[in-house]
Amino acid sequence: ETGVTQSPTHLIKTRGQQVTLRCSSQSGHNTVSWYQQALGQGPQFIFQYYREEENGRGNFPPRFSGLQFPNYSSELNVNALELDDSALYLCATSRWERASGQYFGPGTRLTVT
Amino acid sequence: AQRVTQPEKLLSVFKGAPVELKCNYSYSGSPELFWYVQYSRQRLQLLLRHISRESIKGFTADLNKGETSFHLKKPFAQEEDSAMYYCALRMTNFGNEKLTFGTGTRLTIIP
Repeated sequence: ETGVTQSPTHLIKTRGQQVTLRCSSQSGHNTVSWYQQALGQGPQFIFQYYREEENGRGNFPPRFSGLQFPNYSSELNVNALELDDSALYLCATSRWERASGQYFGPGTRLTVT
Repeated sequence: AQRVTQPEKLLSVFKGAPVELKCNYSYSGSPELFWYVQYSRQRLQLLLRHISRESIKGFTADLNKGETSFHLKKPFAQEEDSAMYYCALRMTNFGNEKLTFGTGTRLTIIP
């Protein structure tokens, strides 16, 4: 069974730039959720994708967007980066039909300078 | 709105002593509660789900709807239990897997 993978591991961007983060689902999982974890905080839900469509969104502005592909992998895109976007971005996958909990990737550490 | 509160940011316990990590939630519907754990340099991983009513690594957690709590307990702490623990809530009447996390408790087991 293949676990959740994320790329890149670390990323440094400048304010105003755009970034794309990637996530590969665990084998057999068809639902992907993205979370932002700021230092000293718990993960905050950004949005979820199922059947290649956004299905649920947290309190994040539209400059946070995503995609899910037919193989269930996913991307998180952030436009017009702000300093406060610096955080660990976590991808979590699950199987929609079986609410067995979400499985997290190792995360991508984004630093905005 | 739903909320998860973990009142202790840090908790130190001697090896062999009982452990209790507190978690309280606010949600008007029927929640599903989880405990996640993050060991040093490892990813966040699921430890317990309340609906499973199982014991994992000696840990148990009971959902108390009257007190809106889901405290994590272990009778005898082990050094390998040192980690960051997060309580999380999922709203069951919504068609998605959104988890609301607490801010976490860092548990340190003193040898």
